[in-house]
Amino acid sequence: IVMTQSPLSLPVTPGEPASISCRSSQSLLHGSGNNYVDWYLQKPGQSPQVLIYLGSNRASGVPDRFSGSGSGTDFTLKISRVEAEDVGVYYCMQTLQTPLTFGGGTKVEIK
Amino acid sequence: QLQLQASGPGVVKPSQSLSLTCTVSGGSVDRGAFHWNWIRQPAGKTLEWIGHIYASGPTTYNPSLKGRVTMSIDTSTNQFFLRLTSVTAADTAVYYCARLRIGTQPYIDSWGQGFLVTVSS
Repeated sequence: IVMTQSPLSLPVTPGEPASISCRSSQSLLHGSGNNYVDWYLQKPGQSPQVLIYLGSNRASGVPDRFSGSGSGTDFTLKISRVEAEDVGVYYCMQTLQTPLTFGGGTKVEIK
Repeated sequence: QLQLQASGPGVVKPSQSLSLTCTVSGGSVDRGAFHWNWIRQPAGKTLEWIGHIYASGPTTYNPSLKGRVTMSIDTSTNQFFLRLTSVTAADTAVYYCARLRIGTQPYIDSWGQGFLVTVSS
């Protein structure tokens, strides 16, 4: 399953919203009704960390300014008000089937 | 808190084999409901899933690596391992070991710090 993200780069102003898109080449909707897509943030010099799992569930400890939505093949990660600590590369990843695959990444930087 | 640490040779010669160890602390690799993964990231590029292993031994590998991958696990030492044969410069990357939750909340909840492997003569 190919995961395609856009945009590649996203300059943002602190306090403003931001949105990242992820499209999959096959539906990630499982018979359970869950969409098997996660979102990760890789801050500069760090390992990735989970933000969202199963399309729209915030992982433990993740601020509520992060939200995930979408179903089937189209998914969106939204940040309601960007903070300086949110800079880094955001990846979507599908866990519906192996091989697990990641999107190409979206680099978020402060304007 | 679970910690994963990858280790091994930082430089491997072309055509030789790359062997990495992931040492897990703060939790047991023998617990069910998790897959133990290897993921890599070439400089400036996206993440590539290499494969995973379950505590009892079943493995799944990325077909893109064309049979060059072997993973194993040792519950007595709380470690799991990666072996990649016939390496080329394209295998130069930061290698991460990571734990994937399975079941109702499938996501990677723990990552190692990343280990740079350079393929060079």
